Amino acid sequence: NAGVMQNPRHLVRRRGQEARLRCSPMKGHSHVYWYRQLPEEGLKFMVYLQKENIIDESGMPKERFSAEFPKEGPSILRIQQVVRGDSAAYFCASSAGLSLYGYTFGSGTRLTVV
Amino acid sequence: GQQLNQSPQSMFIQEGEDVSMNCTSSSIFNTWLWYKQDPGEGPVLLIALYKAGELTSNGRLTAQFGITRKDSFLNISASIPSDVGIYFCAGQLADGGSQGNLIFGKGTKLSVKP
Repeated sequence: NAGVMQNPRHLVRRRGQEARLRCSPMKGHSHVYWYRQLPEEGLKFMVYLQKENIIDESGMPKERFSAEFPKEGPSILRIQQVVRGDSAAYFCASSAGLSLYGYTFGSGTRLTVV
Repeated sequence: GQQLNQSPQSMFIQEGEDVSMNCTSSSIFNTWLWYKQDPGEGPVLLIALYKAGELTSNGRLTAQFGITRKDSFLNISASIPSDVGIYFCAGQLADGGSQGNLIFGKGTKLSVKP
């Protein structure tokens, strides 16, 4: 059983381009969470999704960022018109239900904006 | 935003030494989690604590959920070289935030003494 799969592992974008980060949760997990980590910092919560629904987006910037978790396929974190400040590691976690038990992180996508 | 104060920021260990780190907050938490992150990887869950006063071990690791629900500590006994890495505490606030919204400390970096 594969863990949480994130791709790409590394992504380079020029300022103004769009970045799409994908996350496939563990098998049987229907809850997905996205976090951002700046260098030398802890992870910061961005958004929590359950299949086709956004449950909590309190940590998501109001502009340029969006997330979805369709019925079929991976969860996508989309950043439009990227700026240098978006450079960070983006981590996805998944869990099976309404408990933090089994809350598992992927290896992350490192976004560099040049 | 809510903050977890994690200390120390960094420490050097010699093989065989015991290590101790802690997290404190002015807010009350329902759950405390301790993670280890290796370079280029996502955080890996070490120990989860769900009740105030709970003391839990995982091999050489021991963690406690403070009785006030505002703090937690992690001890590593008889450290070995593979213990190096960054350790994060994370908590789920008792008041506010969805179940998946974890607050992370800034990490404790463990290195080997030269």
